[in-house]
Amino acid sequence: AQSVTQLGSHVSVSEGALVLLRCNYSSSVPPYLFWYVQYPNQGLQLLLKYTSAATLVKGINGFEAEFKKSETSFHLTKPSAHMSDAAEYFCAVSDIGSGNTGKLIFGQGTTLQVKP
Amino acid sequence: DGGITQSPKYLFRKEGQNVTLSCEQNLNHDAMYWYRQDPGQGLRLIYYSQIVNDFQKGDIAEGYSVSREKKESFPLTVTSAQKNPTAFYLCASTPQGADTQYFGPGTRLTVL
Repeated sequence: AQSVTQLGSHVSVSEGALVLLRCNYSSSVPPYLFWYVQYPNQGLQLLLKYTSAATLVKGINGFEAEFKKSETSFHLTKPSAHMSDAAEYFCAVSDIGSGNTGKLIFGQGTTLQVKP
Repeated sequence: DGGITQSPKYLFRKEGQNVTLSCEQNLNHDAMYWYRQDPGQGLRLIYYSQIVNDFQKGDIAEGYSVSREKKESFPLTVTSAQKNPTAFYLCASTPQGADTQYFGPGTRLTVL
């Protein structure tokens, strides 16, 4: 069965510093992986997704993620944090074991705090 | 504008009452999903529907019910059987065979 683990429920960085949000997955088949962002009291917005093409995926707002099969990881990075990046971030994997239902399995989320 | 709408944004209910949360999409998506979000627990799947007049239970379906009479609508009823209904509820949709889910703005339900 697929699963997702996000390491660190809270991450705090200074404005201009590197952002690194960690995500490890478990999957018996090549996974589809996603990062979503959620601002307070809003829905989730897709940042980027990996679907077995290039291992380095570029998303919106300057974020990118690298798929590393050997480490079963899909960490999210941004070279320079901006105050507007403060939000909650979710990593997700397609629940391929359930057939073609489009179901996603989400991690617990990581809250990013950006300090001025 | 195409998108997913959820209403109301905030909802208050007395204990023991049923309440229905609305989810409408004009994206012509086939599949729709309901999630519950609690602090520190991520998103948990309540129900999902891949086609009209068909739906399946997710991981935490107890105390909830849904219907899918129209492609664009997937209302969720929180019944009095749900012991701890206070949460943020998110609706999502995706085209058939696709993998990306698109989310509505959410409804925050508070039981008084």
